[in-house]
Amino acid sequence: AQSVAQPEDQVNVAEGNPLTVKCTYSVSGNPYLFWYVQYPNRGLQFLLKYITGDNLVKGSYGFEAEFNKSQTSFHLKKPSALVSDSALYFCAVRGSVRDDKIIFGKGTRLHILP
Amino acid sequence: DAEITQSPRHKITETGRQVTLACHQTWNHNNMFWYRQDLGHGLRLIHYSYGVQDTNKGEVSDGYSVSRSNTEDLPLTLESAASSQTSVYFCASSRLTGDPYNEQFFGPGTRLTVL
Repeated sequence: AQSVAQPEDQVNVAEGNPLTVKCTYSVSGNPYLFWYVQYPNRGLQFLLKYITGDNLVKGSYGFEAEFNKSQTSFHLKKPSALVSDSALYFCAVRGSVRDDKIIFGKGTRLHILP
Repeated sequence: DAEITQSPRHKITETGRQVTLACHQTWNHNNMFWYRQDLGHGLRLIHYSYGVQDTNKGEVSDGYSVSRSNTEDLPLTLESAASSQTSVYFCASSRLTGDPYNEQFFGPGTRLTVL
């Protein structure tokens, strides 16, 4: 069965510091991995995805994520955090079987402290 | 610009009433999804559709139904609303059926309160 875990409910980072939001997954076969961001009172917005190829994926707003197959992880990173990055972040995974559906993690709330 | 809209944005209803939440997308996407978002649970899939006349149950489908009579719309109906269905509901769409790596586009959400 597919599963995705975001081990931290909340992450606090000082503005200007690097940030990491963790995600681990479990799927059969090759994973398709996604990160979404949700701002208050809004729907989720797509940030980036990993399909195949380069393990480092670059996305919107300066975010990037690193796919690590041996550790089954897909951590979201940004070199220098902005206060405006404060939001709720969701990791999602889908397996490569046709009937697989996207499974979302429970979300990690990111607070960037000025 | 293409978009996905939900209505109403806020709804208060009473236990036992039938409620329908609307979702409309103008991207001509084949796939449409309904999720509910609850604290501590993240997003959970209620129903989904891969095209007109196609509907499928998701993880938490009990008490909900959908119908897909055209490409643009996937209304979600709560047959007899219960307090446990108080939640924020999100509609989403994605491009191609059988294409596993297409991202989903989300609507703004409907906050439903069942008293």
